[in-house]
Amino acid sequence: KNQVEQSPQSLIILEGKNCTLQCNYTVSPFSNLRWYKQDTGRGPVSLTIMTFSENTKSNGRYTATLDADTKQSSLHITASQLSDSASYICVVSANTGGFKTIFGAGTRLFVKA
Amino acid sequence: DGGITQSPKYLFRKEGQNVTLSCEQNLNHDAMYWYRQDPGQGLRLIYYSQIVNDFQKGDIAEGYSVSREKKESFPLTVTSAQKNPTAFYLCASRGALSGNTIYFGEGSWLTVV
Repeated sequence: KNQVEQSPQSLIILEGKNCTLQCNYTVSPFSNLRWYKQDTGRGPVSLTIMTFSENTKSNGRYTATLDADTKQSSLHITASQLSDSASYICVVSANTGGFKTIFGAGTRLFVKA
Repeated sequence: DGGITQSPKYLFRKEGQNVTLSCEQNLNHDAMYWYRQDPGQGLRLIYYSQIVNDFQKGDIAEGYSVSREKKESFPLTVTSAQKNPTAFYLCASRGALSGNTIYFGEGSWLTVV
């Protein structure tokens, strides 16, 4: 069964600290993995997209890693800011012709001053 | 500005009523999607359309209907048959040139009163 599991469910960190969010998936055949940031009551916004051959991709203070062998991805946030408080959603697409997309439940990050 | 516009942002429905959520995109994307988001859960696909005048049921289509008469528009009707419609609804689109990235609207909150 195609699944995307994220951990932790929620996380509280102090402003300026780093954190890492995890994503494990069982989607097959794998096409790509994306991380989205979703502010409360808003639509998700894409942070990174990674294909099978990519191990690391950065977008400012956000760095995503992908291990296609273990089917794991992480999103590392450096020097967190209050504006980083949001839900971070891992999204995996399967290459089934119709590009089936499976969403994780997200990690809710709270950055405190 | 290019993007996806959803309206209304907030909608209240009386039991037994049908309501329609609007979704318009000017990104020239062929594919459009409707997702439902409930607290603590990943996005679930309601309906999707790969091309004008064609649409397919997603994972939770019961109680919903859509139309795709124009490339730019993909309205979602929540019918009285949907027993638990209170949720956050997200419209999205994807184009051949968008690198498989799904772009989301800002979402619509539907509450049954």
